[in-house]
Amino acid sequence: AQSVTQLGSHVSVSEGALVLLRCNYSSSVPPYLFWYVQYPNQGLQLLLKYTTGATLVKGINGFEAEFKKSETSFHLTKPSAHMSDAAEYFCAVSVRSNYQLIWGAGTKLIIKP
Amino acid sequence: GAVVSQHPSWVICKSGTSVKIECRSLDFQATTMFWYRQFPKQSLMLMATSNEGSKATYEQGVEKDKFLINHASLTLSTLTVTSAHPEDSSFYICSAEGQGAEAFFGQGTRLTVV
Repeated sequence: AQSVTQLGSHVSVSEGALVLLRCNYSSSVPPYLFWYVQYPNQGLQLLLKYTTGATLVKGINGFEAEFKKSETSFHLTKPSAHMSDAAEYFCAVSVRSNYQLIWGAGTKLIIKP
Repeated sequence: GAVVSQHPSWVICKSGTSVKIECRSLDFQATTMFWYRQFPKQSLMLMATSNEGSKATYEQGVEKDKFLINHASLTLSTLTVTSAHPEDSSFYICSAEGQGAEAFFGQGTRLTVV
């Protein structure tokens, strides 16, 4: 069975600082990994995904994530936070034979001026 | 990228009435769509998997008679909340399975039952 753990329900960073949102997963087979963002009262938007190939994945809005199999992690980073990055971020995993997504609990990113 | 349109984006209804939410894949065909529910400050909870032309598969604890799902075509799935009650108030989101193992999400529907 698959599972996803996001460390920290809330993360607060200053504008211009590094953003790091942590995601660890468990899967008995090679996973697909995703990061989604949800702005208030809006649907989910895909930030980036890892399926195969290069383990460092670049997404939209300057975000990137690195798949580390040895650490079973897929942490999301951005070098410099903007006020517009304030949102809730969800990490998710799926198994290739079944596109059903297993979700982390989400991390709310707060940007301080 | 592929677009999934969900309608309505928000709805207020009286207790005891039914509400239908539509999920459409606008530029691709989706044999499988998923319906999620999100409680405040919590993650998404998968309610059911909707398969075109067959009965939906419901997750444990989800009442199939209360949350009716119909996936009559390759571009449309509907979720009907029957005899809604205030505890059904939530944010409902659909997703459609696209190519490359990517799920495309609708905008979500905020249901408030008064």
